Amino acid sequence: NAGVMQNPRHLVRRRGQEARLRCSPMKGHSHVYWYRQLPEEGLKFMVYLQKENIIDESGMPKERFSAEFPKEGPSILRIQQVVRGDSAAYFCASSAARQGKSRNTIYFGEGSWLTVV
Amino acid sequence: AQTVTQSQPEMSVQEAETVTLSCTYDTSENNYYLFWYKQPPSRQMILVIRQEAYKQQNATENRFSVNFQKAAKSFSLKISDSQLGDTAMYFCAFMIDYGGSQGNLIFGKGTKLSVKP
Repeated sequence: NAGVMQNPRHLVRRRGQEARLRCSPMKGHSHVYWYRQLPEEGLKFMVYLQKENIIDESGMPKERFSAEFPKEGPSILRIQQVVRGDSAAYFCASSAARQGKSRNTIYFGEGSWLTVV
Repeated sequence: AQTVTQSQPEMSVQEAETVTLSCTYDTSENNYYLFWYKQPPSRQMILVIRQEAYKQQNATENRFSVNFQKAAKSFSLKISDSQLGDTAMYFCAFMIDYGGSQGNLIFGKGTKLSVKP
């Protein structure tokens, strides 16, 4: 039973380029979260999505950042015109909606490390 | 707004001994979940233990246990028989339970635990 899958694990982009990070949730999970971790800091919430819906994007920067979770395929976190300050680890997480022991428990992927040069 | 505070930036413990990591939180909500996550040098986020606020009994997972004091809004993690593999950053996290839906995780800044041989 595969966990949360993220790719790429490491991504290097020049300033001004676009970065796309992908996340496939655990099987049976319909909730996806994106978090950002800056060096030496904890994780900060960015966005919470369900299939085809953005539920909470209160942690997303207003410009250059967007996220989607289409009906088919992985969730995508897209960062346009990257700047050095976007260098961070981006973690995707997923959870099951309602029933069972794992309800309301969020499981994380291994993270995608973005370096902007 | 909800906040999570971890007052110990770094701690160390001798192998086989017991260590307690502190966490306090602030919320006006009554229904919520509390978590401890471990982030080893590999940077993966690993769920250690989970506690539902409505349960008075403290959660335990093998060598890991919590001391949940709801009135004091305290949620400490005790690691017994510490092992070298326990060396990691430990993050305390909080999530509101909205019943049919769920909130997002709010993290503390973390405690860096070093287990010494």
